[in-house]
Amino acid sequence: AQSVSQHNHHVILSEAASLELGCNYSYGGTVNLFWYVQYPGQHLQLLLKYFSGDPLVKGIKGFEAEFIKSKFSFNLRKPSVQWSDTAEYFCAVKNYNQGGKLIFGQGTELSVKP
Amino acid sequence: DTGVSQDPRHKITKRGQNVTFRCDPISEHNRLYWYRQTLGQGPEFLTYFQNEAQLEKSRLLSDRFSAERPKGSFSTLEIQRTEQGDSAMYLCATRGGGALYNEQFFGPGTRLTVL
Repeated sequence: AQSVSQHNHHVILSEAASLELGCNYSYGGTVNLFWYVQYPGQHLQLLLKYFSGDPLVKGIKGFEAEFIKSKFSFNLRKPSVQWSDTAEYFCAVKNYNQGGKLIFGQGTELSVKP
Repeated sequence: DTGVSQDPRHKITKRGQNVTFRCDPISEHNRLYWYRQTLGQGPEFLTYFQNEAQLEKSRLLSDRFSAERPKGSFSTLEIQRTEQGDSAMYLCATRGGGALYNEQFFGPGTRLTVL
């Protein structure tokens, strides 16, 4: 069965530190990849997505992610985090031919200290 | 507000009772998805509709669960004879066509607590 694994359950950083959140998936076919963010008290919002083409994708709020097909990875990065980035981050995968349902990782809670 | 809306936002019920949740999609979004999220986990797919047709159901969706989307607009998710294990956040997401074809927009969720 397809699965998504996020390496870190909880990450604590100071402001201005660099961020990298790991995401690996287990499916060999064509996939679309997503990172969603959930700020405290808010609903899930799309940060960025990869369909095809340039494996380095840029999203909102200075986030970017790199798709490495050979490693089945889609890691999220930000060079300098802010306190307002405190949130839960979810990686998700969609099989190209399976109706559009998303398979999510278990999430990574990011706490940024001011 | 033109986003996905869900009602109610919170529901507390006693074990054995039936509950129904509603999701109103973004206008003209033809695909509608239901997910369930428990504490410390990511959302898990339950079922989805293309217009009024229910095209896929997860094995998580036991026979106590039923979902409908009668006119291809709003959708309801009913849980009969609730159990404590049903306590979770139930999320609705919708997807349209065009440039946003592959993006699912999520609602705020309905948090269910079964006592």
